[in-house]
Amino acid sequence: DIQMTQSPSSLSASVGDRVTITCRASQSISSSLNWYQQEPGEAPHLVIFAASTLRSGVPSRFSGSGSGTHFTLTISAVQPEDFATYFCQQSYSPPFTFGPGTKVDIK
Amino acid sequence: QVHVKQWGAGLVKPSETLSLSCAVSGGSFSDYFWSWFRQPPGKGLEWIAEINHSGRTNYNPSLKSRVTISVDTPKRQSSLRLSSVTAADTAVYYCAGHWTTTDSPSGWFDPWGQGTPVTVSS
Repeated sequence: DIQMTQSPSSLSASVGDRVTITCRASQSISSSLNWYQQEPGEAPHLVIFAASTLRSGVPSRFSGSGSGTHFTLTISAVQPEDFATYFCQQSYSPPFTFGPGTKVDIK
Repeated sequence: QVHVKQWGAGLVKPSETLSLSCAVSGGSFSDYFWSWFRQPPGKGLEWIAEINHSGRTNYNPSLKSRVTISVDTPKRQSSLRLSSVTAADTAVYYCAGHWTTTDSPSGWFDPWGQGTPVTVSS
């Protein structure tokens, strides 16, 4: 199985801060990396797919980059509705595995 | 717009079989693989299995021996059965569409159902 790690596991930010989350894969997954946002009690929602493509309807303050084994999710100026947990996931090969998540909360 | 609705028993006794279903409205059912995931309380997400409209499947090897996944294409539904459950199978279970394209053959998972909480307890 491909192992996914994320850092940090949590962070505190103020509204307007720039937030960056890192995801690493245990082997190269090309650009087969997706990011999901999950709020408490809700299903995950797709934010970024194929490492850097913004899902339709997601604000442009979200961006993704990377390929191979190293990826980042950036929120350029975090807004109140962005405080949630973010998961990376590889879709390169089954079993499709997730990172442990990064919880973004309000400072 | 594609929408996924899930249902199933929320309480299952140890050693019995968990049974869940999801129905898809809108969009093209046959363009997706239909995946099942789970998330134990306070923990991360685990992919269980997926199936397409013609019955082609992929499984997580860690669960394959206990999983039965099926599809009813005319009804636009997928179902998941997990046998011999224990307390470790207590989780919120999700159904989601796995979409792939020529440019992105690995794809991504969107949309997701609302989730079905399942507790394994006697």
